[in-house]
Order: sequence, then structure tokens, then C-alpha cells
Amino acid sequence: EDKVVQSPLSLVVHEGDTVTLNCSYEVTNFRSLLWYKQEKKAPTFLFMLTSSGIEKKSGRLSSILDKKELFSILNITATQTGDSAVYLCASKTSYDKVIFGPGTSLSVIP
Amino acid sequence: NAGVTQTPKFRVLKTGQSMTLLCAQDMNHEYMYWYRQDPGMGLRLIHYSVGEGTTAKGEVPDGYNVSRLKKQNFLLGLESAAPSQTSVYFCASSLLAGVTGELFFGEGSRLTVL
Repeated sequence: EDKVVQSPLSLVVHEGDTVTLNCSYEVTNFRSLLWYKQEKKAPTFLFMLTSSGIEKKSGRLSSILDKKELFSILNITATQTGDSAVYLCASKTSYDKVIFGPGTSLSVIP
Repeated sequence: NAGVTQTPKFRVLKTGQSMTLLCAQDMNHEYMYWYRQDPGMGLRLIHYSVGEGTTAKGEVPDGYNVSRLKKQNFLLGLESAAPSQTSVYFCASSLLAGVTGELFFGEGSRLTVL
């Protein structure tokens, strides 16, 4: 059974802190790993990772994939209150099924 | 360019009633997905489609049916609604071989079954 697991499930940090969110997966015929940010409504796309060891960056956010150990991390540096959201990790599997993890709820307090 | 549009956005049903959620995309995407989201459980895949006329089961398909008669539309049906189907439903679409593999989401449909 395809499975995506995230940790921690919730996290509270102060502005300026750096956070690391974890995602591990066990899926059939892995094709890619996706990160999304969800605030009030629909998830918004952050990154897609397909190759091990290649870091993707966008501003203060970065992510990397380890296909040998079957996990990915999402780093957020110098957190701001606007980073408060649920961060979702997903894996695209064989037949283009996309499975999501439970999400990490991040709260950034001033 | 509307992207992915879901209708209705809100609906209240009584147990045993039936209804259909409509997802429409105007991006000529091949793949379409229906998810449900419950507190603390992320997005769970109900059914998906890799092209017009095709559908496949996801993680939680029981109690739901889908149809993809036209490429741009993906319908999610509840034949006999149950309180356990109270949830927020999201539709998403993606290109067949997109560079990013990104899923584009609708705004969600909140369904309450009494």
C-alpha cells in the first residue's frame, strides 16, 4: 500500500527561527515528490523533486530528496508569520496516482 | 483563464440523499483527481482519471462514483450520502507530461451530511 508520512504533525516556532519539515514515502514505482503550502483554501505548489541530492530553492524555502532513504526535507529559514500554514508532501506513483501525507501544521509566532 | 472550477462550493445534504460535484478545468489537462480533506488527515485520494473516458480508484473510493465523459470535466457522485462523507472536497488537474508535475487545485467544496 502506498504511504506518505510527515513529521512533525505540528510545530510552533518564533519568527526568525529555522524549521525543517520531514517527509518519508513508501510507494510503488516512485516518480516524483511534491511539496505544497496550504493556508485557508486550496494548496499552492512549492516544489517538485525527482532527483536525489539536488536542492531546490525559492527564497527562504529549500527542499531536497534522498531516493535511497526514501525521504525529503523542506527547510524554511528566517521564518515569518506569513509562513504559518499546513505544509503537505505528496508522492506521484505509478499510473500517475498522487498520494499526500497528513501535513505539518506550522505556526510562527511573533 | 479560470483554471480549475468546482461547483457547488457549499452543500448540506441529509443522510441518504444523492448529489454530484462538478470539476471543470480549462487548461487542457489530461489528469484529474478528486480528494477529500478532513482535519489532521491531509488530502486523501478518492478517484482519479488519466484521460477522457478513464477512471481509477484511489485510497478511499467507497461510497463515491466518478465519470470523465469529457476531457475538461470530472464528476464526483455520492449515491447515498452518509455523515462520514462530511468533508471538504478538492479537485485537481495536471498535464500529461508537465515539466513541474504540478497539480492545480480548485477552491474546494464543503459538504455537510446531516
